[in-house]
Amino acid sequence: QLVLTQSPSASASLGASVKLTCTLSSGYSDYAIAWHQQQPEKGPRFLMTLNSDGSHTKGGGIPDRFSGSSSGAERYLTISSLQSEDEADYYCQTWGAGRVFGGGTKLTVL
Amino acid sequence: EVQLVESGGGLVQPGGSLRLSCAASGFTLSNYRMNWVRQTPGKGLEWIAYISSRSTTIYYADYAKGRFTISRDNAKNSLYLQMNSLRDDDTAMYYCAAENLAVPGPLDYWGQGTLVTVSS
Repeated sequence: QLVLTQSPSASASLGASVKLTCTLSSGYSDYAIAWHQQQPEKGPRFLMTLNSDGSHTKGGGIPDRFSGSSSGAERYLTISSLQSEDEADYYCQTWGAGRVFGGGTKLTVL
Repeated sequence: EVQLVESGGGLVQPGGSLRLSCAASGFTLSNYRMNWVRQTPGKGLEWIAYISSRSTTIYYADYAKGRFTISRDNAKNSLYLQMNSLRDDDTAMYYCAAENLAVPGPLDYWGQGTLVTVSS
């Protein structure tokens, strides 16, 4: 079964970097995913599509501070030079017949 | 500017029905596959249903099968979700989201959501 696993929470200091992880279930390690950001009281926003080889395509207007990488079944979202507005929930998403979301990671910027 | 605007949410009693709409502006809906996604209060995103650009392929999450129906009217640039036999645990913010035809899978555009509250 296609499942995405994310840590519930993460934190990092203003100006620092943070790396969020999304893990694909066994047998699906070659799947691409998408990362989405949801700021408080807002709808989600597409950040990027991330392939198994680490190549990624960002959505319009997404700052260079956001990047993606991959290793095996792990898909990463790295945010550098953290700003206060980066405090948000981050979801990974993939697709087969249907669409699947990870449980989300709540990022706190200290 | 690409925009998706959901409407039709509100308060409904358990067992009742509701029809949500999603209006697209700034782009042609027929060029996109479409989805409905919901988010219960304080929880994560949960995919509900998918419809291809010409309505030839439709998928539902297991919990939505038999109660929810996704449809679209490309001439009206609109997407719909008919929800029947609503339960308390259907209370959520409901979002529509678009997938580009050229790159199926990632949800490229999202609306701001419409709130559905199921309560007596």
